[in-house]
Amino acid sequence: GAVVSQHPSRVICKSGTSVKIECRSLDFQATTMFWYRQFPKQSLMLMATSNEGSKATYEQGVEKDKFLINHASLTLSTLTVTSAHPEDSSFYICSARRGTGEMDYGYTFGSGTRLTVV
Amino acid sequence: GQNIDQPTEMTATEGAIVQINCTYQTSGFNGLFWYQQHAGEAPTFLSYNVLDGLEEKGRFSSFLSRSKGYSYLLLKELQMKDSASYLCAVLGGSYIPTFGRGTSLIVHP
Repeated sequence: GAVVSQHPSRVICKSGTSVKIECRSLDFQATTMFWYRQFPKQSLMLMATSNEGSKATYEQGVEKDKFLINHASLTLSTLTVTSAHPEDSSFYICSARRGTGEMDYGYTFGSGTRLTVV
Repeated sequence: GQNIDQPTEMTATEGAIVQINCTYQTSGFNGLFWYQQHAGEAPTFLSYNVLDGLEEKGRFSSFLSRSKGYSYLLLKELQMKDSASYLCAVLGGSYIPTFGRGTSLIVHP
């Protein structure tokens, strides 16, 4: 089955530093990748949608200069949290879509990254 | 926009049956997902419905009524390991899944 690898699984960083999270589709080409954020006991909130080779589309309220998304290839997307602050501490999850026409099983989630900013 | 509503928490007894409801309002509809999520882990796919009716898959079944904007996930023969959060997600006109807040299911002996 389709596998999406997300790294790191956990990261602790100091306030003001930047953190990069990688999301790779291992056995398929992901035309679109989604980045979600989840606070404790809440649901997944979409942050941005990225298509390979083009700029990401950010949801309202998400700062594109703070959350940098790069989708340079069909198998890799990265999310960089710049100048992280404690309020950025959250669970970040990526999801990859294999392409249209496979809507039922077309979305695969990474294992998530627990970011703690101290 | 989209609005998805599901109960915050439910409790049930091991071996019993539980039904988790989800109602939605969406502009455009291309299907509804149910996911299971254990604490600190990513969601795992349970089901996808795009046509009205019941889809049965082992102990889990999912139902959809598009005219009513309603779905439910039915879990039979509950096991302790079924204690988790269950997320309803709607695929709208943009083909981007939008998630409900999730229902925390607690299964007790």
